[in-house]
Order: sequence, then structure tokens, then C-alpha cells
Amino acid sequence: AQSVTQLGSHVSVSEGALVLLRCNYSSSVPPYLFWYVQYPNQGLQLLLKYTTGATLVKGINGFEAEFKKSETSFHLTKPSAHMSDAAEYFCAVMLSGTGGFKTIFGAGTRLFVKA
Amino acid sequence: EAGVVQSPRYKIIEKKQPVAFWCNPISGHNTLYWYLQNLGQGPELLIRYENEEAVDDSQLPKDRFSAERLKGVDSTLKIQPAELGDSAVYLCASSSSALNTDTQYFGPGTRLTVL
Repeated sequence: AQSVTQLGSHVSVSEGALVLLRCNYSSSVPPYLFWYVQYPNQGLQLLLKYTTGATLVKGINGFEAEFKKSETSFHLTKPSAHMSDAAEYFCAVMLSGTGGFKTIFGAGTRLFVKA
Repeated sequence: EAGVVQSPRYKIIEKKQPVAFWCNPISGHNTLYWYLQNLGQGPELLIRYENEEAVDDSQLPKDRFSAERLKGVDSTLKIQPAELGDSAVYLCASSSSALNTDTQYFGPGTRLTVL
């Protein structure tokens, strides 16, 4: 079965430190990959997505992710964490399914940023 | 431009009662999604509409859940009767088309508590 695994349900970093949120997927073909952010009591917001082409994808708020086919990974990074980055982050993969394509979400990683 | 609107934001009901959630997608968006998000988990697709047609309802528990999008714009998701395990956040999302790379825009969700 196709799946998305986010390593670490909680990640804590200090303000100004590197943010690294891990995502691995299982798929027989290269999927489309996404990262979403969810702030408390809000819906999900797209940070970035990989479809084709350049494997290093830049998104909003200084985040970027790199698609590594050999490692089936799509880890999210940001060089310097800001307090406003504290939120829940979801990795997602879009796969072919019933009636077209379906988005499968990981369980999420909650990012804490310490002052 | 207004985003995806959902109401109510919060709902508390007793088990075996019916409940309904409403979603108004972004204007012009033909594709509408309903997701279920359990605590500590990523969203899971319940149903996807292309205009007024439900093209993927494979994950919708049809014994108690129903949905409609009669005019291809607003949508309603209903549960009857509700069970304790239905306590979750119900998210609505929309996209301009069914293209697999189109961005999904999420509403803030309806948090359902079943007592």
C-alpha cells in the first residue's frame, strides 16, 4: 500500500536554528509531493510542491524541500527557524486512485520553536 | 477573495443525533473535497466532487455518512446517526480543477465532539 511516513511526531528547535522535518514515501512510481502547514484552528496551507523538473523546490516562508528518488524522501528544511514557524507540518503524496488522483497525508510533525 | 468557508466551526452533539456540516468553496473552483482529520493524524479523504458529481466516495462510510453538492457549488456533509468515534475535525477543500498538481485550498474545519 502506498504511504507517507513522517519521522518524529514532535520536533523542537531553537529560534535561529536549522529546521529539518523528515518525510519518506512508498510508491512504485515517482509521485507528486507536497508539504502543508497547519496553524492552530486553521486549515492546511500549501508550503511547496514537487511535480516534475528541479528536485529542489522552494516554497513560502523560506522553506524548501528536496526530492530524492533513490531515498524515496522529501525532507523539508529551513535554514533559520522563527517563532512564527511553530505549527503542524504535513507531508503528502498524490497518487493515482479511484476516480483520478488522491492525496495521502502523513500523520504530521508538530514543530516547536524555543526562544 | 474569500477562502473556503465552513460552518459551523464547532459542534457538540450527543451520540445517535444527526449533524450536518456546510462548505462554500472558493468561487470558480470545480473540485471540492471533504476530509476527516482525527487528533494527531493527517487528513483522510472522505469524498471528492467534480462539479456536482461525486467521483471518489470510496472512503465515505455510506451507512451513516452522506454528502451532496446539488448545484456544483456549496456542499453539505451529514452524519446520521453520529457515534462517539466520529469526533474529529471535518475539513473542506477546493481546487480549480481535478488536475493532480492543482493546489488544494482548505477551510478552517468543523470540530465535532460527540458525547
